[in-house]
Amino acid sequence: GAVVSQHPSWVICKSGTSVKIECRSLDFQATTMFWYRQFPKQSLMLMATSNEGSKATYEQGVEKDKFLINHASLTLSTLTVTSAHPEDSSFYICIVERESEQYFGPGTRLTVT
Amino acid sequence: GNSVTQMEGPVTLSEEAFLTINCTYTATGYPSLFWYVQYPGEGLQLLLKATKADDKGSNKGFEATYRKETTSFHLEKGSVQVSDSAVYFCALSVETSYDKVIFGPGTSLSVIP
Repeated sequence: GAVVSQHPSWVICKSGTSVKIECRSLDFQATTMFWYRQFPKQSLMLMATSNEGSKATYEQGVEKDKFLINHASLTLSTLTVTSAHPEDSSFYICIVERESEQYFGPGTRLTVT
Repeated sequence: GNSVTQMEGPVTLSEEAFLTINCTYTATGYPSLFWYVQYPGEGLQLLLKATKADDKGSNKGFEATYRKETTSFHLEKGSVQVSDSAVYFCALSVETSYDKVIFGPGTSLSVIP
């Protein structure tokens, strides 16, 4: 069965609003989770590394004030897209590493109108 | 830094043709190498992987050999099927970089009957 879940699986929001996406590791603890986004017909681009109990590490070019990451427990990381705009519409995916295996969340499709 | 380069697509093949998708990488340290597949409308799935030089990953008739001397991890299949039509992503992770996965740009494959 699935070892990583994401919620919601899809969301439509209006421009200017904020959206929170959850990534949960099921049945195991994860000190590190990775957030990616995938634009249509493009590859997955790493946005940030979420570390339990400390600040996330953002990749170059990713605005930390726009994409807020909170890794409050060993099984949950959240990504909040603040003041969303249509260009933020994308597929957001978390990946969790466990015993040298990478486990993909099913992804969250965000559409900003 | 760490990066992955793939041959540009789209690639169109007839059924039962031989497939090669080239992948080369740049990495600091000793990466693990992966091929992921994304079928239309779905998320990424791990296809195969290799964790050290000269290892061969294989799955569903696909193979790839970790070549340290040429920093390559080319994907091959002897006889493709229509159901292999998908986008294929080469990727790497390096333990010294918190195992975050770096994806190549992806290569779209279409197999026609």
